[in-house]
Amino acid sequence: AQKITQTQPGMFVQEKEAVTLDCTYDTSDQSYGLFWYKQPSSGEMIFLIYQGSYDEQNATEGRYSLNFQKARKSANLVISASQLGDSAMYFCAMREGPSGTASKLTFGTGTRLQVTL
Amino acid sequence: DGGITQSPKYLFRKEGQNVTLSCEQNLNHDAMYWYRQDPGQGLRLIYYSQIVNDFQKGDIAEGYSVSREKKESFPLTVTSAQKNPTAFYLCASSTAAGGPTDTQYFGPGTRLTVL
Repeated sequence: AQKITQTQPGMFVQEKEAVTLDCTYDTSDQSYGLFWYKQPSSGEMIFLIYQGSYDEQNATEGRYSLNFQKARKSANLVISASQLGDSAMYFCAMREGPSGTASKLTFGTGTRLQVTL
Repeated sequence: DGGITQSPKYLFRKEGQNVTLSCEQNLNHDAMYWYRQDPGQGLRLIYYSQIVNDFQKGDIAEGYSVSREKKESFPLTVTSAQKNPTAFYLCASSTAAGGPTDTQYFGPGTRLTVL
């Protein structure tokens, strides 16, 4: 079974509108972390936002917020007031096990977001 | 400026040749990682290292080798045993020292093409 599932291969959003990118995950660990990265056409992976499994509040970073629904195992990224520069691939990733050790990230297949005028 | 550098940006290799991809970080991070990305795919872990002189295989280590002689450096060698090496390679690092996020930060990547 996929550990990280992103069901939207591509999304379009108009400039200044909000958009939600979906991510569901599968783990039996109690302690895990969920991350969102942005990958523009240049290729570099840019960290956007993090949510820990024990965090009670949804994470927010500027225009990015993470809608964390633990019981449903979903961690959707919400981008408010979209900008043309937001056009990129977006990846959801999960780190299983406690922080404090080097451990791998498991990535989804990504969602390509295109912001239009 | 603190960050992660990878070189070269583009690399072309003939079949049967070994090539080494460079990754250097000045973030004072303990842990370093190598990922591979194929078109239309997410990233897959090749190798990772938590401390100097120690490294672990990831999900797709066959045909690759690494070394970690210095904290700042984690080079990846793509050997001739790797059957399909054409891909985009990303290096990352993290503190791996506790804390709420332990986020992995990535370099700009190396695009390897086998001719």
